[in-house]
Amino acid sequence: DAMVIQNPRYQVTQFGKPVTLSCSQTLNHNVMYWYQQKSSQAPKLLFHYYDKDFNNEADTPDNFQSRRPNTSFCFLDIRSPGLGDAAMYLCATSRDSGPEQFFGPGTRLTVL
Amino acid sequence: AQSVSQHNHHVILSEAASLELGCNYSYGGTVNLFWYVQYPGQHLQLLLKYFSGDPLVKGIKGFEAEFIKSKFSFNLRKPSVQWSDTAEYFCAVCGGNTPLVFGKGTRLSVIA
Repeated sequence: DAMVIQNPRYQVTQFGKPVTLSCSQTLNHNVMYWYQQKSSQAPKLLFHYYDKDFNNEADTPDNFQSRRPNTSFCFLDIRSPGLGDAAMYLCATSRDSGPEQFFGPGTRLTVL
Repeated sequence: AQSVSQHNHHVILSEAASLELGCNYSYGGTVNLFWYVQYPGQHLQLLLKYFSGDPLVKGIKGFEAEFIKSKFSFNLRKPSVQWSDTAEYFCAVCGGNTPLVFGKGTRLSVIA
């Protein structure tokens, strides 16, 4: 089945220790998104890639970076995680910025 | 900028009761509307979507939603809820080339 896969499902890191979250997709969609979802809140878009073009949301902290080495993979790098970065991180894909997005299961990040 | 309002933070219903969750949005142009569901510990899943045509949209698991353009609303309904419908429900809106914007979510608890 075509799908969006996120690894790991649970990640624990220490305050200030860089961490990378991974997303892959078999849908062959050209747009990939990263969202941050804190407890009992709506998902918040951090950035997205339209093909190789990176689009950062205005209020996304500089601490968050992303890489997309090819169509199938996209990474979220948090350079110096703070306690406030503990959240669920969701990856999603769509075709040509079409309105429907397909979500992965998420990675729950804990910062100690 | 687009915004989405979900009026109820937490709804508690008995099994077999009818459900209506409110969603209002602000956007002047053509919109695409979605309801997503997030079961405890699981990822976001699409319940239903409206792009155009019949404003009454039927989704999975007996859910439906009605788009009322004059009221900028897209309320979610189900005639008879089950315990397994306990989840968080998110309304989302996408208009033009803007990214998907989520409401804050409504937690539904169904009790026996």
